Amino acid sequence: GAVVSQHPSRVICKSGTSVKIECRSLDFQATTMFWYRQFPKQSLMLMATSNEGSKATYEQGVEKDKFLINHASLTLSTLTVTSAHPEDSSFYICSASGGSLAGDYWGHEQFFGPGTRLTVL
Amino acid sequence: GQNIDQPTEMTATEGAIVQINCTYQTSGFNGLFWYQQHAGEAPTFLSYNVLDGLEEKGRFSSFLSRSKGYSYLLLKELQMKDSASYLCARGGGYQKVTFGIGTKLQVIP
Repeated sequence: GAVVSQHPSRVICKSGTSVKIECRSLDFQATTMFWYRQFPKQSLMLMATSNEGSKATYEQGVEKDKFLINHASLTLSTLTVTSAHPEDSSFYICSASGGSLAGDYWGHEQFFGPGTRLTVL
Repeated sequence: GQNIDQPTEMTATEGAIVQINCTYQTSGFNGLFWYQQHAGEAPTFLSYNVLDGLEEKGRFSSFLSRSKGYSYLLLKELQMKDSASYLCARGGGYQKVTFGIGTKLQVIP
C-alpha cells in the first residue's frame, strides 16, 4: 500500500512561535493532500484540502492566515501553524490521495500519515 | 462528525462477532469508508463501499444501503488487537471525507 510520512511526530513549542509540519507521499504522487486536526475523544476535523500547485481550500472556521498550507510538489505538503497558542495543541494528521508512480488511479482512498502531536506551552 | 451517527462505545468478547452501525446524511454521497484508529495513532483504511451490498475482506466485512443512508462494519473472530476506534466516514464532492466521532470497541477475554 501507499506510504505517507509526517515530520515531526511530536513537537513542543512556546506560545507565539511558528511550527512547520511536513507531509510526504513516499511511493506515489499525491494529487490531493488533506490536513485534519483531532482533539481528544473527537472526530477528525478536516482543516483544508490542497492540490499541487494551487491554493489550499480551507474549511469554514479555519483561519488561512494562521494555518499556512503549501503543496509545492506531488509528494510534499506543509502545514505551518503561525503564532501558535495553547488552544492549537492537537493531533494534526495529513492524508494523501492520487495515483501511484506507475500511473494507477486509486482515487477515492486516502492514505494517512502517522500524525503530529503538537503541544503549545 | 457532521450528520454521521455511530455508537460511541461497544464491548465484545474475544472470538465473537460484533457489528458497528453507522447512519449518514445521503445528500452528496460519494462512498462510505471505514477506518480503524488505535489510540494516539493515525487511522488505517479498512474498507470503501460505493454500491449497495456486503463486501467481505477477511475477518472484516462492510455493508452499505444507499437508500437508507446506512452502513455497518462486521468484525468476526474478534482478537484482542481489534480493540480500537472504528471511524465511519462519508465521501462527498472533491474527494472530501467527513468522519464520524468513531466507535470505541473494547475486546475482552
